[in-house]
Amino acid sequence: QLVESGGGLRHPGRSLRLSCVASGFTFDDYAMHWVRQRPGKGLEWVAGISWNITIIDYAASVKGRFTISRDNAKNSLFLQMNSLRTEDTALYYCAIYSTFFHTFDVWGRGTVVTVSS
Amino acid sequence: SYELTQPPSVSVSLGQMARITCSGEALPKKYGNWYQQKPGQSPVLLIYKDNERPSGIPERFSGSSSGTIVTLTISGVQAEDEADYYCLSADTSGLWVFGGGTTLTVL
Repeated sequence: QLVESGGGLRHPGRSLRLSCVASGFTFDDYAMHWVRQRPGKGLEWVAGISWNITIIDYAASVKGRFTISRDNAKNSLFLQMNSLRTEDTALYYCAIYSTFFHTFDVWGRGTVVTVSS
Repeated sequence: SYELTQPPSVSVSLGQMARITCSGEALPKKYGNWYQQKPGQSPVLLIYKDNERPSGIPERFSGSSSGTIVTLTISGVQAEDEADYYCLSADTSGLWVFGGGTTLTVL
């Protein structure tokens, strides 16, 4: 199970930190990802991090502004979002990357981020 | 930037076959995956590695791949299959990309 939190309302240019707490599986066995969905729009991959933090990738739309991290001891995934823009308004999901399926397997329910002046 | 192209909408009569395509230049080298998303719900994995179906997914859902196109086929569409469908794959750098999504309407 994945439970996201930390969403909220921010003005443009401000920061926000999202969290995703995992349970029911060995968290440090899996790469983790953030995916977002703008209101009424499609899915957009945001960032991913390997189980041992050696590989970190970002979508071009957030590179340099967002930072993905994890704390395996706390079964937690994070997304530090800086210099927020109105177009970052979205529902943010965390998801497990399964090496068996070679894709995202389990998804959380998401947390809503609204960026507005 | 890399794009995966899906038709915005597909309509099909109840009990008929629906096909949703996803095209991308890297698909001959990268797996295609399919997700179903119903309103207010998180995406659900339907097909992985082009044509594999996770346990618990009905057999009417199948996937195929040919060149730069992957296809999701729903045989004998049910009313509950009305949803948004997304393909997912990686570009040549390994960065993930979703298709724009296809809304399936069951008539």
